Amino acid sequence: DVKVTQSSRYLVKRTGEKVFLECVQDMDHENMFWYRQDPGLGLRLIYFSYDVKMKEKGDIPEGYSVSREKKERFSLILESASTNQTSMYLCASSPGTGGYEQYFGPGTRLTVT
Amino acid sequence: RKEVEQDPGPFNVPEGATVAFNCTYSNSASQSFFWYRQDCRKEPKLLMSVYSSGNEDGRFTAQLNRASQYISLLIRDSKLSDSATYLCVVNGGKSTFGDGTTLTVKP
Repeated sequence: DVKVTQSSRYLVKRTGEKVFLECVQDMDHENMFWYRQDPGLGLRLIYFSYDVKMKEKGDIPEGYSVSREKKERFSLILESASTNQTSMYLCASSPGTGGYEQYFGPGTRLTVT
Repeated sequence: RKEVEQDPGPFNVPEGATVAFNCTYSNSASQSFFWYRQDCRKEPKLLMSVYSSGNEDGRFTAQLNRASQYISLLIRDSKLSDSATYLCVVNGGKSTFGDGTTLTVKP
């Protein structure tokens, strides 16, 4: 079974703090993704990566950056957290390109106060 | 107009009912399609892929209509445990998720 893990299930941070969300997958997948999910807005793609050290902006990259130094690990960074970044953050991975299915981690519910 | 659109529901049905969801997409070059299930406060999980020829997995049937650009999910003999949000995913170079349709199956 594919396993995608995320570093925290719940996180509370203060405005202006730097926040790191980590995601690890154990299936040697090429692609990794970060989404946020908000009520009424669905899943929105923040960034994705199709190879080590490669990254591409998704639909809402503003206020976020990412890092992929190893194939199995994809980190999402909030340089200066703001209250409008309070959300559920979901990491996913998929094998290769061409429309494969994605496997999700359990999510991190981030609250910025 | 959104690239992928789903009726948000909620669909409230009794146990044993048959329920169908549709999902329309705008990119005619889309190549692969999926249905995911998401339980409350959990991550989405793959339910089934959708093939041109249609596919069935137990009580679940998925269909693709390329001419009209929609996919469908049919659930027969609904169970209480089917209560969840169902997300469609359309891949046309990138994966685009619908906002989901909420199903509640009642005793």
